[in-house]
Amino acid sequence: DTGVSQNPRHKITKRGQNVTFRCDPISEHNRLYWYRQTLGQGPEFLTYFQNEAQLEKSRLLSDRFSAERPKGSFSTLEIQRTEQGDSAMYLCASSLEQGARAFFGQGTRLTVV
Amino acid sequence: QKEVEQNSGPLSVPEGAIASLNCTYSDRGSQSFFWYRQYSGKSPELIMFIYSNGDKEDGRFTAQLNKASQYVSLLIRDSQPSDSATYLCAVNMFGSGNTGKLIFGQGTTLQVKP
Repeated sequence: DTGVSQNPRHKITKRGQNVTFRCDPISEHNRLYWYRQTLGQGPEFLTYFQNEAQLEKSRLLSDRFSAERPKGSFSTLEIQRTEQGDSAMYLCASSLEQGARAFFGQGTRLTVV
Repeated sequence: QKEVEQNSGPLSVPEGAIASLNCTYSDRGSQSFFWYRQYSGKSPELIMFIYSNGDKEDGRFTAQLNKASQYVSLLIRDSQPSDSATYLCAVNMFGSGNTGKLIFGQGTTLQVKP
C-alpha cells in the first residue's frame, strides 16, 4: 500500500492558462474522489469515479473543469482558462467501497496569478 | 443550516488535558462518520471512523456517535503539543446515494499548550 499519490504538489499558473493534475489512487480502490479546499474551510466535493465511470459531479465543477479516469486507474483533473478564484488545494481521495474509509493524497496546491 | 457543523475554534487546552471536539450533522439517515486531522499546509489524515451509536476507542482517541441527537464527537486524552492541528468531521450522508462522497465541516482548530 503506497497510498494516494498526487502530482504536482504545487502549481503556479497565470490567469487564463490550462492546468492538469494527476492522482494515483491506492491500487485496489475502485472509488476515486476529487475535492477542493480553500483556506479555513473543509474540503468540498467536486466529482466521483467508480472504476472508469464518472458518476457524480458537483455544481461547483463548472464547464472549465473536466476529470477523467481512463481504465479505472489514475485520474486527471483539468482546469481550462484558470481564474484567480480557482486558487485552492485540490485533493484526491480513494476508497474501497461506499461508506468505507477514504484516504487522501498530499494534494496539489494551485495558485493562479 | 450547514450539512455538517463544527465550531471553528480555536480550542485551547493545556498539555495532558482532554480535548473535546464536537460535530453536528443534518441528514438523519447518515451512516458513516469520520474524523480527519489536518496539519497546516498538509492534506487530511484519517484518524477515526465510527458507524454505530456509542463509543469507539483507539489509543488516546475516542469517537462518540449519537444518531438520535445527530452529533459525533472526538475526545483526545492526554493531549500533546503534536496534536495541535485542525480536526475535520466528515459524514457520508444517506442523501448522497451510493457515491460515498463525504461532506465536511469547516474544521476545529485545536491548540495544545505546553
